Amino acid sequence: AQSVTQLDSHVSVSEGTPVLLRCNYSSSYSPSLFWYVQHPNKGLQLLLKYTSAATLVKGINGFEAEFKKSETSFHLTKPSAHMSDAAEYFCVVSESRGYSTLTFGKGTMLLVSP
Amino acid sequence: SAVISQKPSRDICQRGTSLTIQCQVDSQVTMMFWYRQQPGQSLTLIATANQGSEATYESGFVIDKFPISRPNLTFSTLTVSNMSPEDSSIYLCSVEKRGSDTQYFGPGTRLTVL
Repeated sequence: AQSVTQLDSHVSVSEGTPVLLRCNYSSSYSPSLFWYVQHPNKGLQLLLKYTSAATLVKGINGFEAEFKKSETSFHLTKPSAHMSDAAEYFCVVSESRGYSTLTFGKGTMLLVSP
Repeated sequence: SAVISQKPSRDICQRGTSLTIQCQVDSQVTMMFWYRQQPGQSLTLIATANQGSEATYESGFVIDKFPISRPNLTFSTLTVSNMSPEDSSIYLCSVEKRGSDTQYFGPGTRLTVL
């Protein structure tokens, strides 16, 4: 079985400072890993995905994540937060049954102050 | 990627009634999925809808409560039957194309049951 743990329910940063959202996963197989973002009253938008290619994955809006197998981690980072980054972020692990089976973390709410 | 629309975007319904949510995608996709996001919670998969076959339901979800149709490769409906206030949630559909390993989400339907 697969699982995802997002270590922080809320993260607060000031605009212009770095962002770190932490995620640990558990999977019986070589997983695919994703970060999705959900802005208030919106659906989920794919930020980035890891699928066993490069361990450092670059996504949209300046976000990136590093896959560390030894630590079973897939933390999301951004060098400089923007007010528009305020949203909820979900770390997701996927296993394939012929189609992807997603397991979501509980989410991390990112708050950005001026 | 894919452009996905859902109707209605939101609704307020009375206890005991049913609501059908539509999901339309702009291109043919292999799999369509329905998720529930209860207030303040993460996403939980309700069922997987493959065109031309019965939907596959996850543990805790049954066809009588959440009947699903998938008449073609670009459209699916989810009905929430005999609603109670506990059904108040955001319902999201997602799609996956064969071999893509990535799900793309619709904007969601916000349901409130009084």
